[in-house]
Amino acid sequence: DAGVTQSPTHLIKTRGQQVTLRCSPKSGHDTVSWYQQALGQGPQFIFQYYEEEERQRGNFPDRFSGHQFPNYSSELNVNALLLGDSALYLCASSLGLTRPDTQYFGPGTRLTVL
Amino acid sequence: DAKTTQPNSMESNEEEPVHLPCNHSTISGTDYIHWYRQLPSQGPEYVIHGLTSNVNNRMASLAIAEDRKSSTLILHRATLRDAAVYYCILGGPGNQFYFGTGTSLTVIP
Repeated sequence: DAGVTQSPTHLIKTRGQQVTLRCSPKSGHDTVSWYQQALGQGPQFIFQYYEEEERQRGNFPDRFSGHQFPNYSSELNVNALLLGDSALYLCASSLGLTRPDTQYFGPGTRLTVL
Repeated sequence: DAKTTQPNSMESNEEEPVHLPCNHSTISGTDYIHWYRQLPSQGPEYVIHGLTSNVNNRMASLAIAEDRKSSTLILHRATLRDAAVYYCILGGPGNQFYFGTGTSLTVIP
């Protein structure tokens, strides 16, 4: 039973560029959440997708956008990259919106913006 | 935003029990208490969760105060592999998780 997978593992971009990160949820899960984790900090919630719609959003600008596909996988897009966007981006999957929201995290994508 | 308060760091000797405290005085009646841990260069790993009653699983035990304003994660015998940052998080069904800075646990051989 595959857990949450994310790609790529590492990514280097320059300021102003755009990036797309990908996530495949744990088998049987239908909800995907994205988090940003700066060095030395706890993860910060970006947004959550369920039934291909953004259901909740944290305090992030609209440069951060996402998508969920019919197979429940998800993408995180960040436009006009800033140096401050350098972080570990984590994807977490869970089952539905009506249970104790036990989320299972992937290993993350390390984004470096130069 | 439901917030939690944890000590920044704790130490424990190997093979001794560890009690990691968490205060959550603003918890609502529907909030679950979740504990995750994160090893260096890895994503957070689920440890345990509970609502009102104490909970046990193969990894740890969760003791919840009667008024639910605090909880304690108990590792019964700390090993070197338990060295990690431990996060206490409040979340209701479908609610977003708010991570604090967690407690960095050092296990001394």
